[in-house]
Amino acid sequence: AQSVTQPDIHITVSEGASLELRCNYSYGATPYLFWYVQSPGQGLQLLLKYFSGDTLVQGIKGFEAEFKRSQSSFNLRKPSVHWSDAAEYFCAVGLSNFGNEKLTFGTGTRLTIIP
Amino acid sequence: DTAVSQTPKYLVTQMGNDKSIKCEQNLGHDTMYWYKQDSKKFLKIMFSYNNKELIINETVPNRFSPKSPDKAHLNLHINSLELGDSAVYFCASSQGKLEAFFGQGTRLTVV
Repeated sequence: AQSVTQPDIHITVSEGASLELRCNYSYGATPYLFWYVQSPGQGLQLLLKYFSGDTLVQGIKGFEAEFKRSQSSFNLRKPSVHWSDAAEYFCAVGLSNFGNEKLTFGTGTRLTIIP
Repeated sequence: DTAVSQTPKYLVTQMGNDKSIKCEQNLGHDTMYWYKQDSKKFLKIMFSYNNKELIINETVPNRFSPKSPDKAHLNLHINSLELGDSAVYFCASSQGKLEAFFGQGTRLTVV
């Protein structure tokens, strides 16, 4: 069965420091890959996505992610975090098979920013 | 102009009651979903509809009944509410490649 793992439940970084959030998936094929961000009391906002092609994808708010097929990973990175980046981050994967088109989410990583 | 809108945003009700949550999307998408986010922030799909047709029903109790009157609307009706139904319910829509756009969520509290 497909699964998504976000190994880090909670990460704390200093403002201005770099960030990497990890995501690993288990699928029979290369799925579509997404990162979403959820601020407190808000819905989920799409940060970036990978469908095919260039394995380094750029997203909004200065985020990027790299797809590594050999490691079944899609880690999210940002070179310098801002206090407003404090939120919950979800990795999601999906296969577009008719009759089973859905996203499977990881358990999320809570990001805390310290001054 | 909100892309995916849900109402109400908050819902507090007693056990045993019946309640509905409404969702509308103005993106022209064919597929709509209901997701449930539990107290540990875990997100799990409940239902998906494609052009008003039920595609996915992820072993959700039959007290939950989705209805899609047209492809822009997907409502969720819940009968005989239980304490364990307390959660945040998200509506979402997509058009191919599963790039889902989410509503703001409905926080349901059953007391």
